[in-house]
Amino acid sequence: TQLLEQSPQFLSIQEGENLTVYCNSSSVFSSLQWYRQEPGEGPVLLVTVVTGGEVKKLKRLTFQFGDARKDSSLHITAAQTGDTGLYLCAGDPMTTDSWGKFQFGAGTQVVVTP
Amino acid sequence: DADVTQTPRNRITKTGKRIMLECSQTKGHDRMYWYRQDPGLGLRLIYYSFDVKDINKGEISDGYSVSRQAQAKFSLSLESAIPNQTALYFCATSAFRTGVSGELFFGEGSRLTVL
Repeated sequence: TQLLEQSPQFLSIQEGENLTVYCNSSSVFSSLQWYRQEPGEGPVLLVTVVTGGEVKKLKRLTFQFGDARKDSSLHITAAQTGDTGLYLCAGDPMTTDSWGKFQFGAGTQVVVTP
Repeated sequence: DADVTQTPRNRITKTGKRIMLECSQTKGHDRMYWYRQDPGLGLRLIYYSFDVKDINKGEISDGYSVSRQAQAKFSLSLESAIPNQTALYFCATSAFRTGVSGELFFGEGSRLTVL
């Protein structure tokens, strides 16, 4: 059973369009991270959100952590072909014996075409 | 050179063979992890280690074992490989910081095919 549910599983858009990826759970997390993975490589961290309701911006990427710390979203404005990749959310459970034991969603494959 | 190095990068083996995947890191991190990635399932935690004397099972540890030979080395073994262990395996590290989730640094992955 996937602790973190990501949607959609696949997203294909044209350059210049906007997109949003969602990461939802019934569990509470002490923090939530977003990673991007390109073919043949390991995931690379984009951002960590810690506080409920937090919004972080990284150039054209906007990340939001839900007030209850159970969900998060990633919004890309004016997508570019370089944004193509597998986007993964990862939660750090809010329990003492699970601290640092990251749980990953299944990922959203984003394809941006010229 | 990569901070987290996995060997081998690709391996094809037969059912019943013993396989070891090795991971070494130069980041000086205490925490090391082994994940398995399958299409549509994301990354699932196999084993993790928070220091040299600490080994913990993840959500899918059956059929796998690990060894933390040193702070910098963490190996994953499949004692008797089976076809459904065909997957992409990732080693990752993170630094411990009190009360803060550390960033995971991943190796480039080891693709294992069990025939």
